[in-house]
Amino acid sequence: SAVISQKPSRDICQRGTSLTIQCQVDSQVTMMFWYRQQPGQSLTLIATANQGSEATYESGFVIDKFPISRPNLTFSTLTVSNLSPEDSSIYLCSARSGGAYNEQFFGPGTRLTVL
Amino acid sequence: KNEVEQSPQNLTAQEGEFITINCSYSVGISALHWLQQHPGGGIVSLFMLSSGKKKHGRLIATINIQEKHSSLHITASHPRDSAVYICAVHYGGSQGNLIFGKGTKLSVKP
Repeated sequence: SAVISQKPSRDICQRGTSLTIQCQVDSQVTMMFWYRQQPGQSLTLIATANQGSEATYESGFVIDKFPISRPNLTFSTLTVSNLSPEDSSIYLCSARSGGAYNEQFFGPGTRLTVL
Repeated sequence: KNEVEQSPQNLTAQEGEFITINCSYSVGISALHWLQQHPGGGIVSLFMLSSGKKKHGRLIATINIQEKHSSLHITASHPRDSAVYICAVHYGGSQGNLIFGKGTKLSVKP
C-alpha cells in the first residue's frame, strides 16, 4: 500500500492570493491525481498529474487556475491561483499503484477557506 | 442523473446496530471502492472489489455486477464509525477514472 501526505492540512487565504498544496507518496506510483470536494458535493477530478510533462485537465479546469507539477514519481503540487470564495473546498491528492488491481490511495486532504 | 447513487444520504444509528449503506451505478465498471471520510476531510480506502464479498473486521462489502449494486455493512456499530462513506466506481480499464457517489453521512450515537 501507499501512504500519502499533504501539506498544508488546512489554510485560510485572502481573495486574489494563491495556495500551493504539496503531495508526497511514500512509494513510487504510476498515476497521481488531484480532486476537489466542494461543500456537500462528491469528489471531482481536477487533473491527472503526469511525471515530467503537463498535467491532463478535466473539463472545466484549466492550467492557469490550477497549475500542477509532478517532478518525480512520488511528489506533486497543486496551486490554486487567484483565489475566490468559490474555491473554498477540500483538495485531495490521490495515487494509483500499478498492477492488475489498480488500487487507489487518498491523501488526508487540504481544507481551504477563502475569505 | 448521477451515475453513482448512494442511499441513504444520512443515517443515524444507535451503538450496536447493524448498518447497511447501498450503492447503485449505471456504468460498466472494472472495480468499486468503498471509502471512509472523517470530518477533517481525509479519505481512507476501506475496500476495492470487483466481485463477491470482502470482510475486514466489522465491515463487509458485497457487490452484484449483474444488478450494478453494492452494499457496505457495519456490524456492531460504534460511535467511532461515524463518518461519511463514499462509493466510487472505477471504469475504463487501467487508465480509467473514478466516479464518486455523494456519500452517506453516518452518525452512531452511544
